[in-house]
Amino acid sequence: EPEVTQTPSHQVTQMGQEVILRCVPISNHLYFYWYRQILGQKVEFLVSFYNNEISEKSEIFDDQFSVERPDGSNFTLKIRSTKLEDSAMYFCASMAERTQYFGPGTRLTVL
Amino acid sequence: AQRVTQPEKLLSVFKGAPVELKCNYSYSGSPELFWYVQYSRQRLQLLLRHISRESIKGFTADLNKGETSFHLKKPFAQEEDSAMYYCALRNFGNEKLTFGTGTRLTIIP
Repeated sequence: EPEVTQTPSHQVTQMGQEVILRCVPISNHLYFYWYRQILGQKVEFLVSFYNNEISEKSEIFDDQFSVERPDGSNFTLKIRSTKLEDSAMYFCASMAERTQYFGPGTRLTVL
Repeated sequence: AQRVTQPEKLLSVFKGAPVELKCNYSYSGSPELFWYVQYSRQRLQLLLRHISRESIKGFTADLNKGETSFHLKKPFAQEEDSAMYYCALRNFGNEKLTFGTGTRLTIIP
């Protein structure tokens, strides 16, 4: 059964550095999402992406964040200048038939 | 604003006993409700959704619009049910999922 994949599984970075989190959605899915979960807190929506553009974003998704689908298969989340509070688990999801399928997540640790 | 509340962070139930995980929501429109499950070291996966009205792994959930609830139930708990359970809501026409804080269910052998 096809699954959403994410790389890396764990990313450690210094505050102020740029990070790119990568996701490969399920083939033929057209809607893509990023969520994050700070340790001990709920899973929060960041952004949705459809037809090569952002369709919705949350208040969390400020100018430091961007998303891209550079090659028709990968779906990336970039954080330009990481802050300590960006440390979290980041989940990618893709949707078909109104069901979102999640990747295993990338744990981002900002030092 | 839409909100999902799961009042129990932790729930322990003996094997064979009934399970009920509570979920309440607030939303003024027509929501879709979901239960996602996350087993140890695995990804979030859809357990069931209210519009399907199906039973998955013995679990059922009924949307009660009057009480704005979508409680998850299973008559006889099994050890493999131990996991983190998240209730989530999506507005028809919207895309994002709004999650509750989750309930960690532990089945005691």
